Amino acid sequence: QKEVEQNSGPLSVPEGAIASLNCTYSDRGSQSFFWYRQYSGKSPELIMSIYSNGDKEDGRFTAQLNKASQYVSLLIRDSQPSDSATYLCAVRGMRFGAGTRLTVKP
Amino acid sequence: EAQVTQNPRYLITVTGKKLTVTCSQNMNHEYMSWYRQDPGLGLRQIYYSMNVEVTDKGDVPEGYKVSRKEKRNFPLILESPSPNQTSLYFCASSLSREGYTQYFGPGTRLTVL
Repeated sequence: QKEVEQNSGPLSVPEGAIASLNCTYSDRGSQSFFWYRQYSGKSPELIMSIYSNGDKEDGRFTAQLNKASQYVSLLIRDSQPSDSATYLCAVRGMRFGAGTRLTVKP
Repeated sequence: EAQVTQNPRYLITVTGKKLTVTCSQNMNHEYMSWYRQDPGLGLRQIYYSMNVEVTDKGDVPEGYKVSRKEKRNFPLILESPSPNQTSLYFCASSLSREGYTQYFGPGTRLTVL
């Protein structure tokens, strides 16, 4: 079992819809979780971090953490074509999933 | 401006010719690391450094060397590159190994013929 698992996608949503990205992890003791966005050919950049169970909102982005079920998700509301990118889940700061490619269609 | 820089950005080389990819950060971070990114495999850690003169292997260290003589610099050395080291490489820095945001350099695309 991989330490951090994400659906590779591609995930395609229409403009204005909610995109839901999921990530599961195997280390039950993990305490910190991060979502990065990576445009093609560019470096990853942080979207959000989350440390406690529940939801954390930042603009159109909401991160959700459930430590008991060992999953973390990212919701993107009102998706825009500029959100088209690969989204990387990172656990403990340095364990990355393979990423989910998101395409937002106008 | 807070940043991580890498050089070169693009490199095409031949099997066996030693090369060094430089990495420098200006954020006074103690933790630095190198990743390679391959399609479908995500970011895999090669080596990391907790502080000056302290380095340790990541998940895929074979064929690579690193050094940390100064806090700001963390070069990646390929002493005898092989075609399976063709990849996109990222250097990253952070306040510490766990629990903190990693700041990535712009990447180095390496092709080994």
